[in-house]
Amino acid sequence: SYGLTQPPSVSVAPGKTARITCGGDNIGGKRVHWYLQRSGQAPVVVISHDSNRPSGIPERFSGSNSGNTATLIISRVEAGDEADYYCQVWDISTDHRVFGGGTKLTVL
Amino acid sequence: QVQLQESGPRLVKPSETLSLTCTVSGGSMTGYYWSWIRQPPGKGLEWIGYIYYSGITKYNFSLKSRVTFSVDSSKRQFFLRLTSVIAADTAVYYCAREGAGSAWLDSWGRGTLVTVSS
Repeated sequence: SYGLTQPPSVSVAPGKTARITCGGDNIGGKRVHWYLQRSGQAPVVVISHDSNRPSGIPERFSGSNSGNTATLIISRVEAGDEADYYCQVWDISTDHRVFGGGTKLTVL
Repeated sequence: QVQLQESGPRLVKPSETLSLTCTVSGGSMTGYYWSWIRQPPGKGLEWIGYIYYSGITKYNFSLKSRVTFSVDSSKRQFFLRLTSVIAADTAVYYCAREGAGSAWLDSWGRGTLVTVSS
């Protein structure tokens, strides 16, 4: 089955740029979606289809996807961005939805 | 804007059946895929499967032998049944709707914690 790999944690200072990666075999050939989950809350999609930002998501959130790595980029990081972030793809071969293991973003 | 709400028993005994309902409001179920996802305490998200509004289902291989989904579109509800539960099934269970194209989950319920314990 298809697997996605995320770093367990990423730390960044306020105002800097955070990059959270999601690795998978030829993930560039799939559409990647990113979710933010604050403590005790349900996940919320922040990026869909590699780089689309749903209504209400700040422009500071962006995404890219190529080769074997997709990346969520958060510019001008704020304290409120501290959360767990998950990548997710559709594995068309099994018709399964697959999540990465999640990355905890810490704002220093 | 569509909203989803999970409901069901919060405590289930080992070997018994876990049953949850997801109620959809603010929109129709027609034309959409509806997923169940769970998250054990302190761990990541696990996709359990989906049910299409017409009743077509797909289950995660890891749970396929124990899980069953059903839907009642007229009541705007869909359902999860997980049999023979064990402690490892203790988790927050979420229901979610898939947006159009590439199976992204655009709307989520708040989740409900189900504990498996005697």
